[in-house]
Amino acid sequence: GAGVSQSPSNKVTEKGKDVELRCDPISGHTALYWYRQRLGQGLEFLIYFQGNSAPDKSGLPSDRFSAERTGGSVSTLTIQRTQQEDSAVYLCASSSATGFDEQYFGPGTRLTVT
Amino acid sequence: KNEVEQSPQNLTAQEGEFITINCSYSVGISALHWLQQHPGGGIVSLFMLSSGKKKHGRLIATINIQEKHSSLHITASHPRDSAVYICAVIPWGNEKLTFGTGTRLTIIP
Repeated sequence: GAGVSQSPSNKVTEKGKDVELRCDPISGHTALYWYRQRLGQGLEFLIYFQGNSAPDKSGLPSDRFSAERTGGSVSTLTIQRTQQEDSAVYLCASSSATGFDEQYFGPGTRLTVT
Repeated sequence: KNEVEQSPQNLTAQEGEFITINCSYSVGISALHWLQQHPGGGIVSLFMLSSGKKKHGRLIATINIQEKHSSLHITASHPRDSAVYICAVIPWGNEKLTFGTGTRLTIIP
């Protein structure tokens, strides 16, 4: 079956612009995660959605970052007024129930802020 | 100090060697994941474990909850095993992963 998909695969934007990154999780997966990986660094947790519960936003680095998950499926990560330090690969993952289950990762969106 | 520490950071070995990558963590956890990140960036979940040992093909993962330590072993290593291996834990009371910095493995033919 289809895995986790993300779009766009690459995004180059100018400093100060807003960007939207999209994640389509595996159908039926109730848990969805966003992570960030800066060049040469490890993965950082950003936000976690579980079913209809309020999302865990504790990893969002600033109020310029926000995310939505509509209808319990597709999620959009929005970065407003992008800065150069936002340049990274943004990864989405989904799992069938909770964080205690295997997570399936998407291919990521490489964001470059110039 | 990171909550999750991996060693070594880099490992180069000859094809066929037995590989061990270690992960130590400092918090109580409900589960631990081992992930593989390929040179192209894709991430694959290898194991999720909360006790004992799991085996899949040439890969073996063990965890000792009392010692807060896990190991990932690769038997009969092959160049296609070259990747970054990442340990991640789910702390108690939490459902999100805390990641180690990864171990870059290179297997030379």
